This record gives sequence, C-alpha cells and structure tokens, in this order.
Amino acid sequence: KNEVEQSPQNLTAQEGEFITINCSYSVGISALHWLQQHPGGGIVSLFMLSSGKKKHGRLIATINIQEKHSSLHITASHPRDSAVYICAGGGGSQGNLIFGKGTKLSVKP
Amino acid sequence: EPEVTQTPSHQVTQMGQEVILRCVPISNHLYFYWYRQILGQKVEFLVSFYNNEISEKSEIFDDQFSVERPDGSNFTLKIRSTKLEDSAMYFCASSDVGQGNNEQFFGPGTRLTVL
Repeated sequence: KNEVEQSPQNLTAQEGEFITINCSYSVGISALHWLQQHPGGGIVSLFMLSSGKKKHGRLIATINIQEKHSSLHITASHPRDSAVYICAGGGGSQGNLIFGKGTKLSVKP
Repeated sequence: EPEVTQTPSHQVTQMGQEVILRCVPISNHLYFYWYRQILGQKVEFLVSFYNNEISEKSEIFDDQFSVERPDGSNFTLKIRSTKLEDSAMYFCASSDVGQGNNEQFFGPGTRLTVL
C-alpha cells in the first residue's frame, strides 16, 4: 500500500530560523509533491520532485530516491510562512495524490 | 494567472439530501480530481476523471458519489444522500498531464456541513 509519512507534526520556530520538514514514502510513488495549506483551507502547490533538488525563493526541496525520503527547507523563516505543509506522493497511474498528515508550522516574530 | 474555481465556498445541508459541488478546472487541463479533507485529518483522494470517464476511484467513492463533466467547463461532484460523516472540505484539482509526476492545481475548496 502506498503511504506517505511526515515529521514533525507540529513545528514552532522563531523568525529567521532555518526549518526542515521531512517526508518518507513507500515503494510505488513516482514523484513527491510539497504543498502549502493556509488557515482558510486553500492548497497551493510548492514543488514537484522526482529527483534532485529544487529551489524557489527561500524554499528548497530535496529528494533521495534510494532512501525514499524528501525534505522541505525554509531559510530565514518569517511569520507569513506559518501554514500547514503537506507532502504528497504521486502514486497512481492517473496522477492521484497520496497525502501525508501535514506539518503545522508556526513562525513567531 | 489561470486558476481552478469552486462553488459554493460553503454548503450546509440536511442529512439525506443531495448536494452538488461544482468546479471549473483550468481551461486547457484534461485530468480532473476530487479530494476531501475531514476536519483535522489528512487530505484523501476520491476520484480522478479523464476523457469523460472515471479513471480511478478510492474506497471512499461509493455508490453515493458520482462525478460529471456536463459541459466543456464544469466538473461536478454529486453526493446522492448525504451522511453526517460526509462533512468535510472538498477540493477539486486539475492537471494537464495525468501522471503522478505532474503538478496539480487546486481549487479553494467547498466546505460541506451535513446536519
């Protein structure tokens, strides 16, 4: 069964701190998506990775295919980064996503 | 920038009633999805749709659920006889490629409350 596990579940940081969120996934997942969910509920796609590393502004996502592990890093965190960050595996042939439980990040000023 | 839209943003209904949740995917996208998120839980896949038919569905997507693309723009999710446990946020998503390694664009969600 395809599964996605995230850690930590909750994360509190001070503004400016470097943040790492981890995700492990099972066999059968061909790509890893990182998503951001705001308090209102809306979901925004941040990255899609099948290998290597991607960077967008202060966000960096990496994936290790052999270890089936991905990380999302936020450099110089800011209170506006406060949200739930979700990793999701692309496991189905039709592209449906398998979601992790999410990491609730709170960045204090 | 093109976006996925969903209506209504919030729907309140009585148990046993039928509801239709509407989505307008991004216009050149071909693959459409419904997901749901029960409060406090993770997002779960319901169904994927391509070429006017269901391509994959989860165990959650039982006979009470149906999807339709009634015209060239709308994509709907119908729940025939709602139950209390159907209360959740329902997200529509679309992508231009159906493989799991392509970005999906999510709508803002419809919060369904079943009383």
